[in-house]
Amino acid sequence: KAGVTQTPRYLIKTRGQQVTLSCSPISGHRSVSWYQQTPGQGLQFLFEYFSETQRNKGNFPGRFSGRQFSNSRSEMNVSTLELGDSALYLCASSLSSVYNEQFFGPGTRLTVL
Amino acid sequence: QKEVEQNSGPLSVPEGAIASLNCTYSDRGSQSFFWYRQYSGKSPELIMSIYSNGDKEDGRFTAQLNKASQYVSLLIRDSQPSDSATYLCAAPDSGGGADGLTFGKGTHLIIQP
Repeated sequence: KAGVTQTPRYLIKTRGQQVTLSCSPISGHRSVSWYQQTPGQGLQFLFEYFSETQRNKGNFPGRFSGRQFSNSRSEMNVSTLELGDSALYLCASSLSSVYNEQFFGPGTRLTVL
Repeated sequence: QKEVEQNSGPLSVPEGAIASLNCTYSDRGSQSFFWYRQYSGKSPELIMSIYSNGDKEDGRFTAQLNKASQYVSLLIRDSQPSDSATYLCAAPDSGGGADGLTFGKGTHLIIQP
């Protein structure tokens, strides 16, 4: 069974730009969650999508948004990038909710210059 | 703010010995707990999940849960150098998953050959 895939794997942007990251969950998984990982803050929850609806959202500014498509694939968008947005962005999929086991993709390393 | 606490380490263990990793959590209503292993530069990999009080064994790994003490641990028997990694403890909140998975900052484990 194929795992979670994320594209692109690496991204370099400049301040003020926007970026879109993509995630394809494990086949049959309907819940997709996004996390930001930085050395200082560790892993922090961004949001969770289920059946094309944002079900939960972490404590991040509105510049961070996402969506989920009918095939459960998900995208997240960060607008007006700031230096502090440099991080590893991780997507995790689970069968139906965060209470189930979540499996992470390889992540997208975003660097903002 | 729900919290998951781990000793950051590093925890140094000789090869072949038992490594013991500990985690405490603040949300008394949490029902499921997960241990992830993360190698440097890689994404977290799920290694154990536990939902009931007591022990759960999977190969060289044993997870232990004590809900009364709000404590979960991971034992690694016959430690190998390849076990050297950061181990993350995680739990979803009990309020419908609004906070996604809350992660501890991780324990850096070093297995000395």
